[in-house]
Amino acid sequence: QKEVEQNSGPLSVPEGAIASLNCTYSDRGSQSFFWYRQYSGKSPELIMSIYSNGDKEDGRFTAQLNKASQYVSLLIRDSQPSDSATYLCAVRKTNAGKSTFGDGTTLTVKP
Amino acid sequence: SAVISQKPSRDICQRGTSLTIQCQVDSQVTMMFWYRQQPGQSLTLIATANQGSEATYESGFVIDKFPISRPNLTFSTLTVSNMSPEDSSIYLCSVGDMTNTEAFFGQGTRLTVV
Repeated sequence: QKEVEQNSGPLSVPEGAIASLNCTYSDRGSQSFFWYRQYSGKSPELIMSIYSNGDKEDGRFTAQLNKASQYVSLLIRDSQPSDSATYLCAVRKTNAGKSTFGDGTTLTVKP
Repeated sequence: SAVISQKPSRDICQRGTSLTIQCQVDSQVTMMFWYRQQPGQSLTLIATANQGSEATYESGFVIDKFPISRPNLTFSTLTVSNMSPEDSSIYLCSVGDMTNTEAFFGQGTRLTVV
């Protein structure tokens, strides 16, 4: 079992729809959770971080964390073609420690 | 948030040679990490760069191939030694700090070995 697993892609949604990206992790002691967006040929860009159970909203992005279920998700509302990218879920066991990444989910938003 | 600068941004190297990648942070940070992202794949941690002591390598990575230095709390280097085409990847520096737990990356170094 991988330490961090993401729903297999690619994921395609129409413009304006909600895109839902999911991630599960195996280590119950994990403390910090991150979502990155990576455009082709670019380095990962941090878009959301979440540390406690519940929802965290930032603009069109909402991260959801459920530590009991070892599950973290990212919702993108009103999806835009510019959201088309690979989204990486990352988990840290300690707040300043190394990150373990999922394989990523490629999202395509169709105009 | 920490600003991370990596140099070079890209390079094309001959097999058998070595390349040193630099990572400079604009503030002191507790932890610095080096990752590799092979084409079409996710990020894999190479090692944690420890200030004033030897780096901590992940399984599958060794010091002879990827020597790392970290002379202070804002700077680290990763050397890719005796390169082969299989080393063609993006190499990324990241930081971690207890006062700012956000995990940012430098812009990466795209290495092509021919």
